[in-house]
Amino acid sequence: DGGITQSPKYLFRKEGQNVTLSCEQNLNHDAMYWYRQDPGQGLRLIYYSQIVNDFQKGDIAEGYSVSREKKESFPLTVTSAQKNPTAFYLCASSLLGTGAYEQYFGPGTRLTVT
Amino acid sequence: KQEVTQIPAALSVPEGENLVLNCSFTDSAIYNLQWFRQDPGKGLTSLLLIQSSQREQTSGRLNASLDKSSGRSTLYIAASQPGDSATYLCAVTPFGNEKLTFGTGTRLTIIP
Repeated sequence: DGGITQSPKYLFRKEGQNVTLSCEQNLNHDAMYWYRQDPGQGLRLIYYSQIVNDFQKGDIAEGYSVSREKKESFPLTVTSAQKNPTAFYLCASSLLGTGAYEQYFGPGTRLTVT
Repeated sequence: KQEVTQIPAALSVPEGENLVLNCSFTDSAIYNLQWFRQDPGKGLTSLLLIQSSQREQTSGRLNASLDKSSGRSTLYIAASQPGDSATYLCAVTPFGNEKLTFGTGTRLTIIP
């Protein structure tokens, strides 16, 4: 059963702590993406990766870090430097990162930082 | 900079009616346009992808059209059902850019 999984579904952290969100896909897609969604705003791109061991900053990368050591996995770390980390985080993947291909999304992780 | 707008932000329609959702974008140089559905607290489900060379795509009761020259796309839903209630998002991929640019969505409610 192919798809994208994100874990956990809900995550609670204290301010000042780093937290890592998991994203795994078994679609054999080369490109993976992380988005942030806030109420009343469109999705905003945090980071994306077109190939293993390579990734690029999106529009709002400050306070976040990623790694792409395996094709199937693209974890996102929300660091203590991110000023407003509470949000809904969505991971996506596409066959290639050329922009011509459909993106498929995971179920999301809701992060709450207090 | 590409901007994507969806108006209205919310729409309520009686069950059984046909309806149209609108999406406009400022730069016509795009690879494609995608329509997504999002249920509350869930991820996005891709509904239709229209390549820049296409005028429309159909899937079941859904039909999406694309007019690049005017920077507009519409999503037509036929014979609406309560299960169609969700937020509908459109997104474009600009040429020379791998990144989707999203609209803020239209929240659709189908009234039984």
